[in-house]
Amino acid sequence: EVHLVESGGGLVQPGGSLRLSCAASGFPFSAYWMTWVRQAPGKGLEWVANIKQDGSEKYYVDSVKGRFTISRDNAKNSLYLQMNNLRAEDTAVYYCARDLHYTSGSLFQHWGQGTLVTVSS
Amino acid sequence: EIVLTQSPGTLSLSPGERATLSCRASQSVSNNYLAWYQQKPGQAPRLLIYGASSRATGIPDRFSGSGSGTDFTLTISRLEPEDFAVYYCQPYDRSPPTFGQGTKLEI
Repeated sequence: EVHLVESGGGLVQPGGSLRLSCAASGFPFSAYWMTWVRQAPGKGLEWVANIKQDGSEKYYVDSVKGRFTISRDNAKNSLYLQMNNLRAEDTAVYYCARDLHYTSGSLFQHWGQGTLVTVSS
Repeated sequence: EIVLTQSPGTLSLSPGERATLSCRASQSVSNNYLAWYQQKPGQAPRLLIYGASSRATGIPDRFSGSGSGTDFTLTISRLEPEDFAVYYCQPYDRSPPTFGQGTKLEI
């Protein structure tokens, strides 16, 4: 059974940093693209970033480019999101998802339970 | 960039009734690469439908998807209490990934 468990969320001041982790199990982690999706309180879903199986390709939504970095450690079956220079508008639940990546797009087959990031002074 | 419009924003129905949710795209979705997700309060989204009409693993057959091009529909034939949730559509024929704003299905 596919299992994705996020951790690392919390309260951080504007301008601060946080590193999210996602522990994967139940599938060959190194064979799949992986994605981070976020959801601001009471709002809809927003894709944040994704990463190719070997980490050689990474893509980001414009609003986080230059501030967030997605990475993975296939030996540890883990996905990460380093978030720097955080802003109030980054406040959201962050989900990791297994990404069935097509030539042009991504389908999100499995999701973790999410971790809440709150950016506030 | 594609714009997705889900309607209605909120749908109020009772258990046993039929629900019809719409997703309209501003551009044609290639290969019917359109997915639907269900999100219950406090839970992560769950993939329901992919390829516009294929049910994901474990999804009951009361859920069905249809449509092509720019107009897609999610139908729940007979609502169960656990079906009251928010539903999102997402085309996966393009990047960056985008989601519709969601339809809230409430009792």
